[in-house]
Amino acid sequence: EVQLEQSGAEVKKPGESLRISCKGSGYSFTSYWIAWVRQMPGKGLEWMGRIDPNESESKYSPSAQGHVTISADKSINTAYLQWDSLKASDTAIYFCARVDSSGYNFYASDVWGQGTMVTVSS
Amino acid sequence: DITMTQSPSSLSASIGDRVTITCRAGQSISSYLNWYQQKPGKAPELLINGVSILQSGVSSRFSGGRSGTDFTLTISSLQPEDFATYYCQQTFSRPRTFGQGTRVEVK
Repeated sequence: EVQLEQSGAEVKKPGESLRISCKGSGYSFTSYWIAWVRQMPGKGLEWMGRIDPNESESKYSPSAQGHVTISADKSINTAYLQWDSLKASDTAIYFCARVDSSGYNFYASDVWGQGTMVTVSS
Repeated sequence: DITMTQSPSSLSASIGDRVTITCRAGQSISSYLNWYQQKPGKAPELLINGVSILQSGVSSRFSGGRSGTDFTLTISSLQPEDFATYYCQQTFSRPRTFGQGTRVEVK
């Protein structure tokens, strides 16, 4: 079964660092990109960026650039989303999603992780 | 960034109704338009990619269409499991922007 398994919920203080993970299984991890999508409480979906796990090449949205780092370790089929200094406004659910890098399905996200809730509060 | 304007933001409908949601792109996005369904507390699920290509396992009561830069998601006969929020997304260019969502509620 193809799936993405995300790490568990986190509660952090402003200024702290955090790394959440997304582990792929049931498919060739390096044949697909991993995208990260944010959903703030009660709000819509926001694309943050994506990584090519094979090349470790990342692309970011303008709003995410410089605030988060997307990385991957292809040896353990895992992608990461990392913050060096969290803000209260980072409170959200973060989803990872698989993207066919060939463009065969128009770069749609066909498999999603279950989401990781990140709460940042003093 | 390409703005995706989705309408309506919410709608109330009854079982068996035909429902249409519209998504307008701020510029040409060719066929790079996808639709997702999200239920409360769950991750989004891909329904349609490339304007009208139904994802495997998705009911044929869902269909997608286009007229210029206006895209539609139609549910031909609303079922209880269809009450959810629907999002369009353009994947023509980065950042991959989503519409603001349409919440489909029970009338």
